[in-house]
Amino acid sequence: AQRVTQPEKLLSVFKGAPVELKCNYSYSGSPELFWYVQYSRQRLQLLLRHISRESIKGFTADLNKGETSFHLKKPFAQEEDSAMYYCALSTVDRGSTLGRLYFGRGTQLTVWP
Amino acid sequence: DTEVTQTPKHLVMGMTNKKSLKCEQHMGHRAMYWYKQKAKKPPELMFVYSYEKLSINESVPSRFSPECPNSSLLNLHLHALQPEDSALYLCASSQEWPASRRDGYTFGSGTRLTVV
Repeated sequence: AQRVTQPEKLLSVFKGAPVELKCNYSYSGSPELFWYVQYSRQRLQLLLRHISRESIKGFTADLNKGETSFHLKKPFAQEEDSAMYYCALSTVDRGSTLGRLYFGRGTQLTVWP
Repeated sequence: DTEVTQTPKHLVMGMTNKKSLKCEQHMGHRAMYWYKQKAKKPPELMFVYSYEKLSINESVPSRFSPECPNSSLLNLHLHALQPEDSALYLCASSQEWPASRRDGYTFGSGTRLTVV
């Protein structure tokens, strides 16, 4: 069965400090991994997906199949990064389609000034 | 238009009321979804509609009744809800079901429902 684990419910750092939000997954096939962000009382927004290998708002995430991890990193956190971050997994069918999304429980990031 | 629009943004209803949540998209997406998100919890899938037909029902109680009158619109009819049903209800859409790897999912901003 698919499972997404985000071990930290809460994470606090000071502005300018590096931040890493952990995500581990369990799935027997080849998953597609995502990071979604939800700012206070706003919609869920896609932040990153592993297939695009891009950096958004200074965040990066690398899929490590050996460790089944997809940790989200930013070298210098900003106050506006404070939000709830969800790691999500989707199964991949026939190489071109996604199955349903499975979300982790989320990590609330607070960046102090 | 690249958004999923949900109305109302907030709703307070009594346990004997009947109300409806509305979700609309004009991106030509043929799949639409309802998720339930309790406070500080991840979204949980409730229903998947594909080409206006119900594809997935995640064992949701019958007091939640989805309806897809056309490809742009998805409703969630609510009747005899309980206080524990208070949550953020999110709508999402994708080009197709299953979604393509290229296009993924688009979420609405949600309806915050309080049952009193």
